[in-house]
Amino acid sequence: DGGITQSPKYLFRKEGQNVTLSCEQNLNHDAMYWYRQDPGQGLRLIYYSQIVNDFQKGDIAEGYSVSREKKESFPLTVTSAQKNPTAFYLCASSIEVGRGTEAFFGQGTRLTVV
Amino acid sequence: DAKTTQPTSMDCAEGRAANLPCNHSTISGNEYVYWYRQIHSQGPQYIIHGLKNNETNEMASLIITEDRKSSTLILPHATLRDTAVYYCIVRVPARTDKLIFGTGTRLQVFP
Repeated sequence: DGGITQSPKYLFRKEGQNVTLSCEQNLNHDAMYWYRQDPGQGLRLIYYSQIVNDFQKGDIAEGYSVSREKKESFPLTVTSAQKNPTAFYLCASSIEVGRGTEAFFGQGTRLTVV
Repeated sequence: DAKTTQPTSMDCAEGRAANLPCNHSTISGNEYVYWYRQIHSQGPQYIIHGLKNNETNEMASLIITEDRKSSTLILPHATLRDTAVYYCIVRVPARTDKLIFGTGTRLQVFP
């Protein structure tokens, strides 16, 4: 089935370590996004990419890095520079539908720093 | 992107219609209104979108006022599984768009 897959679902990291969250889609979508969600809060945009080998910072990019070497993959690295990395991370991809846009989300990765 | 304002929370009895309002008074002419919902600890799910005409699909109806400054998402017969956070978003579908989410409305459907 077509969809967007995030892995792992739960991730534990020691303070000071970098960690990479995986996001893969087989929907042939050009655009992909990474969001962070804290308890009781909405989604905040970290990075987004409209096309392969191109990406832009969102509202909270500090302490994160991404790459977009392949259309189907948009991994997110949480670096040791991110001061408060414990959160729920969501990846999405989107396609233009008619003259609108529909985004599809993965099931998320819950990162805990221990 | 235009900002949206939604009530923090709402309750609805099972089987009744749930009407979720959204204000987007600064919406521009080429911005669409989108609705998503997020069930606890899952990724958001697309529901419906529209520009200026009312829209209906198998999940919900979207009513946009004539001046486009507000809209209402209608779940005609709410079930317990509709309990979720509902997000209203306005955006221009373009190559450089960001897809910004607010804090949404937490809808609680009770028996």
